[in-house]
Amino acid sequence: SQTIHQWPATLVQPVGSPLSLECTVEGTSNPNLYWYRQAAGRGLQLLFYSVGIGQISSEVPQNLSASRPQDRQFILSSKKLLLSDSGFYLCAWSALRWGARGEKLFFGSGTQLSVL
Amino acid sequence: SQKIEQNSEALNIQEGKTATLTCNYTNYSPAYLQWYRQDPGRGPVFLLLIRENEKEKRKERLKVTFDTTLKQSLFHITASQPADSATYLCALVSGLYGGATNKLIFGTGTLLAVQP
Repeated sequence: SQTIHQWPATLVQPVGSPLSLECTVEGTSNPNLYWYRQAAGRGLQLLFYSVGIGQISSEVPQNLSASRPQDRQFILSSKKLLLSDSGFYLCAWSALRWGARGEKLFFGSGTQLSVL
Repeated sequence: SQKIEQNSEALNIQEGKTATLTCNYTNYSPAYLQWYRQDPGRGPVFLLLIRENEKEKRKERLKVTFDTTLKQSLFHITASQPADSATYLCALVSGLYGGATNKLIFGTGTLLAVQP
């Protein structure tokens, strides 16, 4: 069966410090991978998605970047965190099916990031 | 502009009653719509998918309707239980049919509280 791992669960970082959040998927190959952010009381905002190794698409301009060095590894990074980067970060995956539209997302357990 | 709207106010109901949650969207033409459940501090979990040519979908105590004319989906939980208390998110796809990615755009969610 497929599983998704995301860590750390919580993180408190000072403004201006770097960030690295990691997500790995097991039990599937060539997944679509996603990073979402959820601010308090707000919906899920899509940050990045990837359809393959080294292929990253950014949805919103921001202080963050993403990388996919391996098929089932997705990393969210920042060189210098801002206060506005605080939030609940979620990694997710879906199966890649050409022409099919209906695959659901499987989410990780999330990382609560507080930038102080 | 494109919007997905869910009632931001919490829905409080008594155990055993039917809970009905609403998802409205504008300037989208989704081929399908999904519903997720999210517990505090956790990632969303997929519940149901309904396609544009389906008027209704059921799964155990859950029922989803999809009205593409009204641009609305209703999510019903019958015989609700305190364990059903959570935030429920609707999501629809934004992207080209047959495209390589299925980017799900989420609503802000509605908090359901079932009182014993």
